[in-house]
Amino acid sequence: QQQVKQSPQSLIVQKGGISIINCAYENTAFDYFPWYQQFPGKGPALLIAIRPDVSEKKEGRFTISFNKSAKQFSLHIMDSQPGDSATYFCAASMDNFNKFYFGSGTKLNVKP
Amino acid sequence: EAQVTQNPRYLITVTGKKLTVTCSQNMNHEYMSWYRQDPGLGLRQIYYSMNVEVTDKGDVPEGYKVSRKEKRNFPLILESPSPNQTSLYFCASVGSLRPEAFFGQGTRLTVV
Repeated sequence: QQQVKQSPQSLIVQKGGISIINCAYENTAFDYFPWYQQFPGKGPALLIAIRPDVSEKKEGRFTISFNKSAKQFSLHIMDSQPGDSATYFCAASMDNFNKFYFGSGTKLNVKP
Repeated sequence: EAQVTQNPRYLITVTGKKLTVTCSQNMNHEYMSWYRQDPGLGLRQIYYSMNVEVTDKGDVPEGYKVSRKEKRNFPLILESPSPNQTSLYFCASVGSLRPEAFFGQGTRLTVV
């Protein structure tokens, strides 16, 4: 049983468009929600993260929107670029440095 | 350069032949984990360690062993590999100051 559900599985966006990836969770004890970016042949790397005391966090073209009541959070990539083409994983943690629950991943393809 | 190093990067082996995948980190991190990545399932935690000589099971520990005799090293042992352990494996480390996981480059294992 997956603790974090992620959609869509794959996404194709034109250059300059907005990419949106959604995640949902059930466990209200989660209090840290990171997004990881993975390029082919590489390990995942932290992209951006949010805690549930804020509804939005923005870093450059990347924004996390967080809806605590709906137990959902999403990643928005503004002005998507071909270099953003990668697999994106959402995750959740109880701020336990050992334990991250990952979503199933979204493969993003940004077309030039 | 801060990094997590896994070896080998690629491995093809036969059913039942014991193997070890090594993992080493140079960031003096307390926490280390092993994950397996499978299509449609995301990253699932196999084992984790909170410090030297302290290890515990993750979500999918069957068929795997680990040890943590030194802080920097966390090898993954498959004593009798089976084809269902064919997967992409990642080692990760986390420091005690912030919950950011640093991943190795991955080991693609094929068991025939």
